[in-house]
Order: sequence, then C-alpha cells, then structure tokens
Amino acid sequence: AQKVTQAQTEISVVEKEDVTLDCVYETRDTTYYLFWYKQPPSGELVFLIRRNSFDEQNEISGRYSWNFQKSTSSFNFTITASQVVDSAVYFCALTDDKIIFGKGTRLHILP
Amino acid sequence: DTEVTQTPKHLVMGMTNKKSLKCEQHMGHRAMYWYKQKAKKPPELMFVYSYEKLSINESVPSRFSPECPNSSLLNLHLHALQPEDSALYLCASSQDPLLADLHGELFFGEGSRLTVL
Repeated sequence: AQKVTQAQTEISVVEKEDVTLDCVYETRDTTYYLFWYKQPPSGELVFLIRRNSFDEQNEISGRYSWNFQKSTSSFNFTITASQVVDSAVYFCALTDDKIIFGKGTRLHILP
Repeated sequence: DTEVTQTPKHLVMGMTNKKSLKCEQHMGHRAMYWYKQKAKKPPELMFVYSYEKLSINESVPSRFSPECPNSSLLNLHLHALQPEDSALYLCASSQDPLLADLHGELFFGEGSRLTVL
C-alpha cells in the first residue's frame, strides 16, 4: 500500500531560522512521483515541487531546497532563513494514479 | 491570485436544502478535481473529471453529485447533506491527465467552506 508519513504535526521556529520538514513514503511501485504543496491560511494548496522516482538530484529554489533519498524513502523539505510568510501547512504527497497526501506539517514562523 | 475560481467562498445550508458549488478555470486544463478537507486533515479526493468525463468517484455518497458542463467548469451539487459534511471543498485542475511529465501538478482554488446545520 502507498503511504506518506509526515511525523512532525506542528513546528514553530523564530524568523530567519532554518527549518526542515520531514517526509517518508512507502510504495511498491518503481515509477512514482513525489510532491510538496503549501496551504496558506487562505486555503488553496500551492504546488511547490514534483520529483519522479528516477531523479534523485536535490533541488534548490531560492530559500527552498529538497533532499530526495530513495535509500531511506525520504523527501525532506528545507526552508532557509525562514520568513513569517512561510507560515502555512505543508503537505508531502505521493502519486501513482492519484495523489496521496501526508497529514501535513503546520509551520509557524514567529517574528 | 489563484487561477482556479470557486464560488461561493462560504455556504451555510440546512439538511433539506439543495445548493451547488462552482469551479472555473481558464487555463485550458483537461482534468478537474473535487477534494474535501476537514479541519487539520489532508485533502481527500472525491471526484476526477478527465476530458469532461467522470473518471474517478471515490465512493462518494450520492448526496454529492458532480457535473462538468464543459472543460472550464465543474460543479458539485449538494442535496440532503449531513452536519458531518461540513468541510472545505477544494476544486483543482491539471493540464493534461495523460501526460506523465505533468502528472500530479494540480492548481487549486481557495475552496468553498461549507457548513451544514
């Protein structure tokens, strides 16, 4: 069965600190996609990144970076120099024919 | 601003009412989705329309009835709902459900927050 685990329910950090959101997944498929979505208080989920199972390169986009390690079935997300606007719920997701979301991590960036 | 527009943003209805949620996108996307999200929970897939045809129904009760009049519009008709149906209903779209390279990249609306009394 496919499963996404985000063990951190809620994290609070002070602005400008770095923070890493953990994501561990389970799948028997050899071809799959991993995602991160952000859900700010306004409600809509915002797509951040997609990785396919054959691409283990880490990615950096501004203050955001992602570490994909198939050996540990993890797809962790790091925000560097966090800002108050980063406060949101972040969902890691896995897809085969449909998207399976983790339970989400609520991130509070304190001024 | 999101490119997927949902109306109304808030809806309060009684258990005997009939109402509809509407979703619109003008990005030329060919797949549209309804998700239900309870507080502090992840979104749960309800329905998927692919090229205007219902392709996935996640065993949703018949009191929820989806409709896709054209490739830009998606409706969710509500009838005889229960208080436990109160939730945020999210609409999403994706470019082409047949293109693996775009698989799973969904564009979400801000949702319709439904309260059933």
